[in-house]
Amino acid sequence: ILMTQSPATLSVSPGKRATLSCRASQGVNYNLAWYQQKPGQAPRLLIYGASTRATGIPASFSGSGSGTEFTLTISSLQSEDFAVYYCQQYYIGHTFGQGTKLEI
Amino acid sequence: EVQLVESGGGLVQPGGSLRLSCAASGFTFSNYAMGWVRQAPGKGLEWVSTITVDGGTYYADSVKGRFTISRDNSKNTLYVQMSSLRAEDTAVYYCAKSLLNHGWFDPWGQGTLVTVSS
Repeated sequence: ILMTQSPATLSVSPGKRATLSCRASQGVNYNLAWYQQKPGQAPRLLIYGASTRATGIPASFSGSGSGTEFTLTISSLQSEDFAVYYCQQYYIGHTFGQGTKLEI
Repeated sequence: EVQLVESGGGLVQPGGSLRLSCAASGFTFSNYAMGWVRQAPGKGLEWVSTITVDGGTYYADSVKGRFTISRDNSKNTLYVQMSSLRAEDTAVYYCAKSLLNHGWFDPWGQGTLVTVSS
């Protein structure tokens, strides 16, 4: 299953909303996770099951979608939110998207 | 607190072998699937391998036949034995815990760098 994220780079001002997209080449039901990765750090789980926030993740992060189309929304960007975001399907094996860099 | 600490990375020549370890603490290791995910320099994430609670193993096509994942529940340690290494295996290798046999990964270790070069 191929995962395609868009856009590759997203420029948003602090305090604004960011919307990141992830598309699967075939349906993955709700078997979709989102991760955040900052430079020099390991990825951190944000969302699993397409829409369930992981422990400790603020409510400003929300996930939606099912099947082949998924969205990660960050409602009000803080300085610490600027990072690279990856989606991952785990319906059949594991496949990551190529990432979206969220920049100021 | 769940902790995953990888070790064993380093410089290895093409065709060589290396074994990575991941020491786990803060949870009942034997109750969880574990996986390896790698990231080539400046690139995205690539799933490498998963081992289930009952020892079932799964591999990405890119490493099948060359890498072997294993676990020692008595030592709370995950391993990956890598052989016939290629330049394209150069990456930071992360170990990660998975609630399900084929699920999301959380948390991740800090990673260990493997460089394959002559």
